Amino acid sequence: DQQVKQNSPSLSVQEGRISILNCDYTNSMFDYFLWYKKYPAEGPTFLISISSIKDKNEDGRFTVFLNKSAKHLSLHIVPSQPGDSAVYFCAATGSSNTGKLIFGQGTTLQVKP
Amino acid sequence: DSGVTQTPKHLITATGQRVTLRCSPRSGDLSVYWYQQSLDQGLQFLIQYYNGEERAKGNILERFSAQQFPDLHSELNLSSLELGDSALYFCASSVFSGYNEQFFGPGTRLTVL
Repeated sequence: DQQVKQNSPSLSVQEGRISILNCDYTNSMFDYFLWYKKYPAEGPTFLISISSIKDKNEDGRFTVFLNKSAKHLSLHIVPSQPGDSAVYFCAATGSSNTGKLIFGQGTTLQVKP
Repeated sequence: DSGVTQTPKHLITATGQRVTLRCSPRSGDLSVYWYQQSLDQGLQFLIQYYNGEERAKGNILERFSAQQFPDLHSELNLSSLELGDSALYFCASSVFSGYNEQFFGPGTRLTVL
């Protein structure tokens, strides 16, 4: 039962352009969402989060959009840089008492110079 | 560097054996989480401890157990190991339980032969 889905296993964009990574979820109890970036042989690195009371959160080049009615969130990276090439995971939680995160399968982003 | 340390980095063992993975959270973090990443799967939540007490459990096998000690470091014990237990095991920590970002360690790669 895949509660968090990243349907695109990979994405390739040109340096300087926008990267858009998508994530869908099925559990309507989820109300806090996070994006992580992962390089090979390293642990995931936190990028940005959003709570369900917002529909947008911005941090530098990274913006996360949340569409609760569609149960969909997206991560925009503008402008994309070669150093952004990594695997991106979205994660969700529905509990204010625990931190149990449900992760998507990940999307591999390649930014070409 | 997230500030979360995990030892050992690599572990190779045989089926039927028992191993212990260790995690030291970031200074000041009270919550510790364990996740498993198998070859063809995303990150799967195993278990969470908060200030020494178990807070949440995921699909953790009965052969696996964990604990958090008074100094807040945590250990994940895996026993009667099977080939399918080969995976990356990540520890993460956060300041409190609930809606806050988790910081991941570099992981322990377990290979069961």
